[in-house]
Amino acid sequence: GAGVSQSPSNKVTEKGKDVELRCDPISGHTALYWYRQRLGQGLEFLIYFQGNSAPDKSGLPSDRFSAERTGESVSTLTIQRTQQEDSAVYLCASSPTQTRLETQYFGPGTRLLVL
Amino acid sequence: AQSVTQPDIHITVSEGASLELRCNYSYGATPYLFWYVQSPGQGLQLLLKYFSGDTLVQGIKGFEAEFKRSQSSFNLRKPSVHWSDAAEYFCAVAGSSNTGKLIFGQGTTLQVKP
Repeated sequence: GAGVSQSPSNKVTEKGKDVELRCDPISGHTALYWYRQRLGQGLEFLIYFQGNSAPDKSGLPSDRFSAERTGESVSTLTIQRTQQEDSAVYLCASSPTQTRLETQYFGPGTRLLVL
Repeated sequence: AQSVTQPDIHITVSEGASLELRCNYSYGATPYLFWYVQSPGQGLQLLLKYFSGDTLVQGIKGFEAEFKRSQSSFNLRKPSVHWSDAAEYFCAVAGSSNTGKLIFGQGTTLQVKP
């Protein structure tokens, strides 16, 4: 079956503009995660969704970042008033449930460059 | 707070040689540990994971990892490296709550010499 897909694959924007990144999880996966990978660094947790429960936003670096997910479908990560330090690869992952036992399946990522 | 340390940023081995990538974690309870691989232009793929039981776990592509509680380590090994193993490897631990939120190390880049 289809894996996790993300769009766009690359995004170049100017400082101060808003950007929206999209993630399509694997069908039937109730948990969805967003991570950020800065150049030369490991992945940094941003936010996760589990079904209709309130999302865990503990990793969002500032109030410029927000994310939405409707039910168990597509999620969008929005970055407002982008800054150069937002340049990174944004990775989305999904898993059948939110427990620690589950394998997370990652998408190919969106590479964001803020000029 | 939970954390993961991968002491080696970059490792180079010859094809056919053995490989060990180090991972140390900081976690108060029984850790849930993972190794992921990120090949150029591809997403992260799970190699193996450890929750409990046998401390030596087998994964895909001939990799294995050993959990050592006394050393807070979860090192990844492969007896004979292939050129296609060149990639970036990430060790991760699941966070303290019963969620899948992962805390990653900074990664180790593996280069394979012919």
